[in-house]
Amino acid sequence: AQSVTQLGSHVSVSEGALVLLRCNYSSSVPPYLFWYVQYPNQGLQLLLKYTSAATLVKGINGFEAEFKKSETSFHLTKPSAHMSDAAEYFCAVTRRSYDNKLSFGAGTTVTVRA
Amino acid sequence: DGGITQSPKYLFRKEGQNVTLSCEQNLNHDAMYWYRQDPGQGLRLIYYSQIVNDFQKGDIAEGYSVSREKKESFPLTVTSAQKNPTAFYLCASSIDLGLAGRTDTQYFGPGTRLTVL
Repeated sequence: AQSVTQLGSHVSVSEGALVLLRCNYSSSVPPYLFWYVQYPNQGLQLLLKYTSAATLVKGINGFEAEFKKSETSFHLTKPSAHMSDAAEYFCAVTRRSYDNKLSFGAGTTVTVRA
Repeated sequence: DGGITQSPKYLFRKEGQNVTLSCEQNLNHDAMYWYRQDPGQGLRLIYYSQIVNDFQKGDIAEGYSVSREKKESFPLTVTSAQKNPTAFYLCASSIDLGLAGRTDTQYFGPGTRLTVL
């Protein structure tokens, strides 16, 4: 079964610094991968998704992620953090190639220091 | 505006009571999902539905029940059999449950926070 591991439950960055959130997956089939963001007491918003097209995926709010099959990774980055990036981020993978059920990572909380 | 609405935003329940959480979507999506979120555990799938009058158990269905009488509505009942119901509940929908070679994005509602007193 597919699963996701997010390395680091909390990440703290300075405003203007690089944001790097790590996600590794296990999959026996070509995966579809997603990054979602959640602000306090709100639902999840899609940042970006990988669906076997380009390996470098650009999303909203300046985020991007690179799919690396050899490393089974899908790390999320943003070159310059803003205060508004403070939130919780979830990586998710489809469980099988023919359905939409997702397996979510445990989440990474990002705090941004002024 | 198209989207997913969940109500109420906050819900308090006494032990032994059943409560029903509402989820409505006007996106014309066929598939709908219920997730439970606990701190540090990500999201776990409770139930999902591909079409009207059909639904399947997810990973943690015990103590929960659902119905899908209308395409736009997928209410979740938290029964007294659920031993630890305090959590944040999220509803989601997608165009369909996924076809071979395609995965549809799930869109989420704002959530309902349930607290058992």
